Amino acid sequence: NAGVMQNPRHLVRRRGQEARLRCSPMKGHSHVYWYRQLPEEGLKFMVYLQKENIIDESGMPKERFSAEFPKEGPSILRIQQVVRGDSAAYFCASSGGARSSYNEQFFGPGTRLTVL
Amino acid sequence: SQQGEEDPQALSIQEGENATMNCSYKTSINNLQWYRQNSGRGLVHLILIRSNEREKHSGRLRVTLDTSKKSSSLLITASRAADTASYFCATYGAGSYQLTFGKGTKLSVIP
Repeated sequence: NAGVMQNPRHLVRRRGQEARLRCSPMKGHSHVYWYRQLPEEGLKFMVYLQKENIIDESGMPKERFSAEFPKEGPSILRIQQVVRGDSAAYFCASSGGARSSYNEQFFGPGTRLTVL
Repeated sequence: SQQGEEDPQALSIQEGENATMNCSYKTSINNLQWYRQNSGRGLVHLILIRSNEREKHSGRLRVTLDTSKKSSSLLITASRAADTASYFCATYGAGSYQLTFGKGTKLSVIP
């Protein structure tokens, strides 16, 4: 019973490049959430998606960041023209499904983005 | 505004001792959850306590919730070196699906 999968686990980009972070939710889950964690901080909500729909992107920066959760395939968090301040750990969580209550979010291992 | 605030920020104890961490929050909640994060790793869900519950147990973990004081505590009994990690409380607001996390308590258990 695979959990939430994220890849890559570590990603290094130079300023101005694009970063693509992938998240495969737990089997049977149709709700995906992205969070960002800065060093020594708690996680901050970015965006909530269901299949093919963005439900809430209130925590996501208005520029350079986008997210999608297509009908087929993983959810993607895309950061264009990365800057050093984007360096952080990005976590994906999923919820929904017969074995979990609606409110329990299961987290992936995270992608650690370093911008040089 | 910061919803969950853990206290203390850091805690160092000897193996076998009990560890108590506290969390305060500001707005009304549906439930409160505690997570553990080992250094450089993802989050592990420990326990969820609903707003109509006052205490919950899971193995060596005991969580209390006082909605009148908007606070919760996590007690780890008979700590082990493997309990060394950061512990976060997280809350859902009423009608919300966003988890709001505090900054965490960094627990060190010395063998």
